[in-house]
Amino acid sequence: DAGVIQSPRHEVTEMGQEVTLRCKPISGHNSLFWYRQTMMRGLELLIYFNNNVPIDDSGMPEDRFSAKMPNASFSTLKIQPSEPRDSAVYFCASSSAIPDTQYFGPGTRLTVL
Amino acid sequence: AQSVTQLGSHVSVSEGALVLLRCNYSSSVPPYLFWYVQYPNQGLQLLLKYTTGATLVKGINGFEAEFKKSETSFHLTKPSAHMSDAAEYFCAVCRSGGGADGLTFGKGTHLIIQP
Repeated sequence: DAGVIQSPRHEVTEMGQEVTLRCKPISGHNSLFWYRQTMMRGLELLIYFNNNVPIDDSGMPEDRFSAKMPNASFSTLKIQPSEPRDSAVYFCASSSAIPDTQYFGPGTRLTVL
Repeated sequence: AQSVTQLGSHVSVSEGALVLLRCNYSSSVPPYLFWYVQYPNQGLQLLLKYTTGATLVKGINGFEAEFKKSETSFHLTKPSAHMSDAAEYFCAVCRSGGGADGLTFGKGTHLIIQP
């Protein structure tokens, strides 16, 4: 079984550029989560979707961040414009129910110069 | 709102010794509790979870944890540490039932295994 797939695995960009992170959840899972991991703040929930509908985006840090889930097999997290403080590892996770086990992707390491 | 406190950002044990990683939680409703492990440059992998029923839960790689409601704790243990257990461990909580949401994580505990 393929797990959660994230792309790219690494992204290096310059301040002010648009960044798009992608996630493909496990087939059949109807809940999708985006987390951010930094040394200072640990793992933080940014937003989650249930049946492709955003349920809670209170963790999204600023209007520069946006997330979409156009269908059950794809989600994006976009940062526009990016800033150095956005540098972090971004994880996508999916689950078949809330609450239940969340399965994490390998993460995207974002570096904003 | 929920919160998780993991005591000790770093824990060092000798190979073969008992592993004890502490986790205390705060939740206004009955919680679901999880332990995840993260190896360097990898995503998080579920070790074990407590939802309902038996309060002592067993997970992968010989780990287990006990849910103690009176102490609001969910400590992770393993009788005998192995070098391959060296990793970052995260305790997490989410609300059970309707209106449930995403996971709230602790800050993590880095487990070091001394040969």
